[in-house]
Amino acid sequence: SQKIEQNSEALNIQEGKTATLTCNYTNYSPAYLQWYRQDPGRGPVFLLLIRENEKEKRKERLKVTFDTTLKQSLFHITASQPADSATYLCALANTGGFKTIFGAGTRLFVKA
Amino acid sequence: DAGVIQSPRHEVTEMGQEVTLRCKPISGHNSLFWYRQTMMRGLELLIYFNNNVPIDDSGMPEDRFSAKMPNASFSTLKIQPSEPRDSAVYFCASSSSPPGGSISDTQYFGPGTRLTVL
Repeated sequence: SQKIEQNSEALNIQEGKTATLTCNYTNYSPAYLQWYRQDPGRGPVFLLLIRENEKEKRKERLKVTFDTTLKQSLFHITASQPADSATYLCALANTGGFKTIFGAGTRLFVKA
Repeated sequence: DAGVIQSPRHEVTEMGQEVTLRCKPISGHNSLFWYRQTMMRGLELLIYFNNNVPIDDSGMPEDRFSAKMPNASFSTLKIQPSEPRDSAVYFCASSSSPPGGSISDTQYFGPGTRLTVL
């Protein structure tokens, strides 16, 4: 069955450092991969999308890589800030349909 | 734009009662999604609509769950009868699909309804 795995343990880093979150998937050939941020008591908020034919995408302090051979995406937050503390969800979708599957998320804590 | 609107924000009910959750998508969006989120199972897609038509309801857990979208600006998710294991946060999301019907890039989520079934 289709499966998405994200770091199950929380990630604790110091302010100013780069946070790296991992998303691995199996039994799936996504057309694209998305990263969302979710704060407690709120719905997920879209951050970045990367397509299967793209290797890397950047947006301000965020960078996403996508390796379809390894079936893995890495999500980087550079110069991290305490305000970046949240849960980050990885989501996959394929072409021709609307169904998106989400990973369980990784909790990030950035200490001042 | 006010974003996706869901109501109620919190619902506490007793087992066996009917529960109706409501969603107003972002104006102009033609796709609507209902998700359920729990600690154990994460975020699960229950059903999605495109142009008010249900496209895939394979995520609906059982016949106790039903969803409707009578028009482009309103959708409901109903649970009848409710059970304690239905307790979760239910999210509605909407997105816009370009001409041709291919999937859009971004889903915009509402604030969710926290459902507790006693």
